[in-house]
This record gives sequence, structure tokens and C-alpha cells, in this order.
Amino acid sequence: TQLLEQSPQFLSIQEGENLTVYCNSSSVFSSLQWYRQEPGEGPVLLVTVVTGGEVKKLKRLTFQFGDARKDSSLHITAAQTGDTGLYLCAGDAYGGATNKLIFGTGTLLAVQP
Amino acid sequence: DAGITQSPRHKVTETGTPVTLRCHQTENHRYMYWYRQDPGHGLRLIHYSYGVKDTDKGEVSDGYSVSRSKTEDFLLTLESATSSQTSVYFCAISESMANLYNEQFFGPGTRLTVL
Repeated sequence: TQLLEQSPQFLSIQEGENLTVYCNSSSVFSSLQWYRQEPGEGPVLLVTVVTGGEVKKLKRLTFQFGDARKDSSLHITAAQTGDTGLYLCAGDAYGGATNKLIFGTGTLLAVQP
Repeated sequence: DAGITQSPRHKVTETGTPVTLRCHQTENHRYMYWYRQDPGHGLRLIHYSYGVKDTDKGEVSDGYSVSRSKTEDFLLTLESATSSQTSVYFCAISESMANLYNEQFFGPGTRLTVL
């Protein structure tokens, strides 16, 4: 069974601080996605990483895919209150042979003003 | 934003009653999914559809059935609701041909409470 474990589960920081969220698995994924979910809404796709070692930047957010394609990290620089939300990683199940994703359990981020 | 709506947005029902949730898309995407979201479990796939009348089970399909008679609509039915089915339900869509990585777009969710 493919699993994606995220850490930490909860994170409360002050505005302006930096943070890193991790997504780990014992399985290899051909691609991995990061979503952000705000209260009362559905998840929204932030980025997809597909190549081992790939780094993508989205303004203050930096996403990295592990060399072995088993893990990923999300680093936020100078967090803002608007970054508050649930961050979910998701990998394509069964090596992309199906159109199904496996989701991690999420990291709930609260950025205090 | 992808055109996905879910109805109802909130529902309270009693144990043993049937419940149907509707997902409607205006994107003409081939794939549609139903997930449930519970604290500590993230998003778990209930059922998905890869075309009209083509559906398959996800990891938590017991007690749920689905139907897709048109490209734009995907219905999730709880035949006899139980308290363990209290959850937030999300519909998602994906278009495989233009989308190599199964990037999914989500609806706003339905909060279901079974008393």
C-alpha cells in the first residue's frame, strides 16, 4: 500500500518566519503535487514536480522533489497570514497507470500576525 | 477556476436514510472523483469515474455507490446513512489527455452530518 506521510501535522508561526513542510513515502512516485486548502473550500493545486531533484519556485514558496522521487518538501520564506491553510501533498498512485492520486494527511499551518 | 459545483453544500440527515450528493462540472473533463475528508485521514478516495457509465471503487467505497449518466454529472449515494459517514465530501475532476500528471480540480465540498 502506498502511503504519503506529512510532517509536521500542525505548525503555528509568526508572520515573517520561515518554515519547511515534508512529505515522505517508501514508494516511488512518477510525479507529486502540492495543494493548499483554506477553511470551507476545496484544495487548490499549487505545483506539480515530476523530475527527481527538481526545484520549483512560486513566489515565496519553494518546492523540491527528492532525487529518488520518494519525498518532497515545501519551504515558505517570510510567511504571511495569507499562507494560513492546510497543505496537502499528493502522488499519482500505481506509477501513473491509473488516474488516481494518493493524498498525504496534511500539514495545518497557522501564521499569526 | 474550474467550473465545479456540488449540491447540497450542507446536509443533516438521520441514520438509515438514503442521501445523494451531486457533483456538476462545466469543463467536459473525462475523470471525476469523490473523496471524503476527515481529521487525521486527509483525503480518501471513495469512487471515481473514467467516463460515462464507467466507474470504479476507491479505498473507502463500502456503503457508497455512484452513477454517471452524463459527462457533467457524478452522483454519490449513501444507501443507508450511518454516523461514520459524517464527513466533508469533495468532488474533483481531471482531464487525462491534456494532463499527464492527473492534476485535479476540486469542488467546494459538501458537509454531511448523520445523526
